[in-house]
This record gives sequence, C-alpha cells and structure tokens, in this order.
Amino acid sequence: AQSVTQLGSHVSVSEGALVLLRCNYSSSVPPYLFWYVQYPNQGLQLLLKYTTGATLVKGINGFEAEFKKSETSFHLTKPSAHMSDAAEYFCAVRGSNTGKLIFGQGTTLQVKP
Amino acid sequence: AAGVIQSPRHLIKEKRETATLKCYPIPRHDTVYWYQQGPGQDPQFLISFYEKMQSDKGSIPDRFSAQQFSDYHSELNMSSLELGDSALYFCASSRSVVLGAGNTIYFGEGSWLTVV
Repeated sequence: AQSVTQLGSHVSVSEGALVLLRCNYSSSVPPYLFWYVQYPNQGLQLLLKYTTGATLVKGINGFEAEFKKSETSFHLTKPSAHMSDAAEYFCAVRGSNTGKLIFGQGTTLQVKP
Repeated sequence: AAGVIQSPRHLIKEKRETATLKCYPIPRHDTVYWYQQGPGQDPQFLISFYEKMQSDKGSIPDRFSAQQFSDYHSELNMSSLELGDSALYFCASSRSVVLGAGNTIYFGEGSWLTVV
C-alpha cells in the first residue's frame, strides 16, 4: 500500500524567499515520486520526478526535490519564490509497475509581494 | 508538443442524467488514466487502460464505465448522475509504465462536470 502526506495545507512566503513544501510517503515497494502543480482552473503539470538514480532531482521553473529514503521524504524547494509560483502543489507516489498515482492532499502556495 | 486532449471542457447535467467524457492521449501513448478531483480535494484514481484492456481499477462507482478504443482514445461514461459527481475529471496518458517504469504520466486540462 502507498500513501502520501503533505504537511501544511497552506504555505505563505514572501516574494524572493525560500519555498519549502513538505511531502512524506509510505510505500511497500520502491517508490516513484512526483510533484505536480495546478494553477487555478487548470490541469496538472509535472514539475519533477524521482524514479531511480540521483536522489536530487531538478525540475521546471527552478524547483528541485530530494529523495531521502531514510526519512521517507520528498520535499520540494525553490531558492527564491516568484509571484507566478502561487498555485496548488501535489506530491504523488506510485510503484514501478503501475501508473496509478496516489496524491497527497495538496499544498496551496501563496506568494506575497 | 501535442498534449492530452479532453472534451468537453465543461458540462452541466441534471441529476439522473448520463454524461460522456472523451480523452485523446498524446500520440504513441498506449495507456490512459482517469482521475476525479472534487472541489478542494486531491485527484482520485478511477481506472486505467493499457492497449485497450483495463489495467487497473480504483474508486470508480458502478454507475461509471470506461473503455479505450482502437485509436487509443478513451471515453468515461457516467450514468444516473448524482450531485456528488460534480467534479473535475482528468484524463492522463503515458507510454506503458510496465515496459518503461520511468515513463511520465501527462495530464489533460480536465473536464468540469456540474450536476444540478
């Protein structure tokens, strides 16, 4: 069984500040981990993914995430927030032989001027 | 680059009516997935198809059915609609994750269903 927990349903940062969105997972098989972003009234866009190999993965728009097996975490970071980063962010997990994504509850990122 | 195409984008139906959503995957993608996202909720997996065969099943109500056709497009049929079916329905596609575990799943823009 797999599950995802995103700590903090709402995160507010100032423009230019560090963004940190937390994600912890539970998986009985080696996990494949993903971060998706959803802008208002739009679809889900893949930010980045971890499958195998390097545990620090870089994605689009300056985001990156690090897979830490010992902590069962896959936190999303960005050094400097931009107003356009305001959106809903979903962490998701799946196994290697299935496309069924299990999503976390989502974190709304607010960026203040 | 071509994306996942969903139609219609918006749909309003009355209770007990039937609705059909269509999904056209990215070219050369053989796997299609359907998700339901209620207001303020995370997306919930409904069902998936690989090479026109059901490959996985999630929390899809018995009132719903889906299939994938020979051209790989998929349709989600929803009958006896209830108010609680009002949601954003996503279709996603990928190349086989069984043959290529790291294959990325791409989502469409979604179809908004409102049941009144």
